[in-house]
Amino acid sequence: KNQVEQSPQSLIILEGKNCTLQCNYTVSPFSNLRWYKQDTGRGPVSLTIMTFSENTKSNGRYTATLDADTKQSSLHITASQLSDSASYICVVSFDLNAGNNRKLIWGLGTSLAVNP
Amino acid sequence: DGGITQSPKYLFRKEGQNVTLSCEQNLNHDAMYWYRQDPGQGLRLIYYSQIVNDFQKGDIAEGYSVSREKKESFPLTVTSAQKNPTAFYLCASSSHRDLGVSRAEAFFGQGTRLTVV
Repeated sequence: KNQVEQSPQSLIILEGKNCTLQCNYTVSPFSNLRWYKQDTGRGPVSLTIMTFSENTKSNGRYTATLDADTKQSSLHITASQLSDSASYICVVSFDLNAGNNRKLIWGLGTSLAVNP
Repeated sequence: DGGITQSPKYLFRKEGQNVTLSCEQNLNHDAMYWYRQDPGQGLRLIYYSQIVNDFQKGDIAEGYSVSREKKESFPLTVTSAQKNPTAFYLCASSSHRDLGVSRAEAFFGQGTRLTVV
């Protein structure tokens, strides 16, 4: 069964600290993996999109890694800010039929709270 | 300002009523999507449209209907047949018709929170 699991479910850190969020997936055949940031009561905003051949991708203080062999991804947030408080969602795309169509599987997200 | 706009932000519906959620985009995107978000569940696809005058059912289309008469607009109607309509509804658009390809960026609206009273 195609699944995306994220951990931890929630996390509280102090402003200025770093943190790492995890995403494990069993989706196959894999197409790409995305990380989204969703503020409470708002729509998700894309942070990164990674394909099979990409190990690391950065977007400012956000760095995503992908290990396609172990089917794991992580999102590292450096020097956290209060505005980083949000839900971070991992989304995996897989091929439905010989690469002509794809489907997205959304994780449940990690809720991050950055406290002063 | 380019973007995707959902309205209203909050909507209350009495049981047995149909309600329509608005989604408008000025990004000139071909593809538009409706998702539902519930606590403890990932986003689930309701309907999607890859081109004007065409739309396809997603994973949870029962109790919903859509139309795509204009490129800019993709309204969602929640009918009385939808047994658990209380949820956060998200509309998205993309310049690529297959949202799953790596070069397809999805842009989301701010959502509509629907509550049945």
